[in-house]
Amino acid sequence: QKEVEQNSGPLSVPEGAIASLNCTYSDRVSQSFFWYRQYSGKSPELIMSIYSNGDKEDGRFTAQLNKASQYVSLLIRDSQPSDSATYLCAVISGGSNYKLTFGKGTLLTVNP
Amino acid sequence: GAVVSQHPSRVICKSGTSVKIECRSLDFQATTMFWYRQFPKQSLMLMATSNEGSKATYEQGVEKDKFLINHASLTLSTLTVTSAHPEDSSFYICSAPTLENSKTQYFGPGTRLLVL
Repeated sequence: QKEVEQNSGPLSVPEGAIASLNCTYSDRVSQSFFWYRQYSGKSPELIMSIYSNGDKEDGRFTAQLNKASQYVSLLIRDSQPSDSATYLCAVISGGSNYKLTFGKGTLLTVNP
Repeated sequence: GAVVSQHPSRVICKSGTSVKIECRSLDFQATTMFWYRQFPKQSLMLMATSNEGSKATYEQGVEKDKFLINHASLTLSTLTVTSAHPEDSSFYICSAPTLENSKTQYFGPGTRLLVL
């Protein structure tokens, strides 16, 4: 069973702080990793994709991948109340063309 | 990013009726689309992979005769929930990877189904 694990939270941070979201995965040969944001009652919205070890930055978001530790994280700098949402980690496992396996998500609350 | 639409956005039906949900890729062609279901406070669970011009591939535990999938064109996939029951009430979401970057999936806005 290929699994993606996330701390369900809630994670609360003050406005302007850095929010750190973590995810681990069980399939060692996974190649593609994604972070989606999901507001309550809405469908997921892609934030970041990362395929290689190291950091990938896009605006206030930084994704970090460590394949040896089977760990992927998302940092949100200068957190805003509008960042309050559930963040879903998703992985395309080895042997699959496109099939995403999702974690259960981490609920982030940014307090004004 | 690419745009995926779904229709209807919300549907309420009586137990025993069938409900059809449409998923369209608006500005790109999608040979593959995915159908997910999400119950409250749960993550997305893949139900099936819809393949243009061929049969859908269902995940383990998903009844193919209950959840009929048709992918008749490169921009449209439909999911029909047959003989719906209250336990089928859920948030149904489709997604599609663009042909240019097949690893990235774009999600439709979802369809909320309530079966009375």
